[in-house]
Amino acid sequence: DVKVTQSSRYLVKRTGEKVFLECVQDMDHENMFWYRQDPGLGLRLIYFSYDVKMKEKGDIPEGYSVSREKKERFSLILESASTNQTSMYLCAVYRDRGTEAFFGQGTRLTVV
Amino acid sequence: AQTVTQSQPEMSVQEAETVTLSCTYDTSESDYYLFWYKQPPSRQMILVIRQEAYKQQNATENRFSVNFQKAAKSFSLKISDSQLGDAAMYFCAYRDLSGGSNYKLTFGKGTLLTVNP
Repeated sequence: DVKVTQSSRYLVKRTGEKVFLECVQDMDHENMFWYRQDPGLGLRLIYFSYDVKMKEKGDIPEGYSVSREKKERFSLILESASTNQTSMYLCAVYRDRGTEAFFGQGTRLTVV
Repeated sequence: AQTVTQSQPEMSVQEAETVTLSCTYDTSESDYYLFWYKQPPSRQMILVIRQEAYKQQNATENRFSVNFQKAAKSFSLKISDSQLGDAAMYFCAYRDLSGGSNYKLTFGKGTLLTVNP
């Protein structure tokens, strides 16, 4: 199985701070995703990338950006954190023509 | 756009009993995958079962089985002989096979399953 590592399990940041959430995979999979999970809303796609330096907006990209300079690493950036970005963030990885997504353990971000 | 609906925010079951979680979806595609994922309190998403739309036979994995009704766009999960370790949030998810950047999963809102001893 693919190992997907998110840099932090818990993070507390102040309003207005620039926040980086990192996701690293130990395989050579092409597709990487950032989801946001909120109670009663399920998982919603923020951004995804299907190759190095390639990115596409998901369903809720506002307030976020991403970076993928190397194939194994996909970063989610909150340019100016706000309290409504307090949430659980999940990274997922998918191989081309693969049938299963592999997830990180999640980062619970609190913006105060 | 594809949508996935889980109409049961919470369900409970007695240990050793059987429970069925419901999921419906909407798509205009004919070829796709459907999944059930489990998220225990550890937060790690675990794939429970997968169904390819072109297969008529319902998928099974040990105590877990699905009832896939393609025409009705329904995909329910049955858990038999429920165990305490089955307690978790369960998500239904869809992925179409049109290729390109369409490896993204679309999730339902989840069903929180409680297993009572």
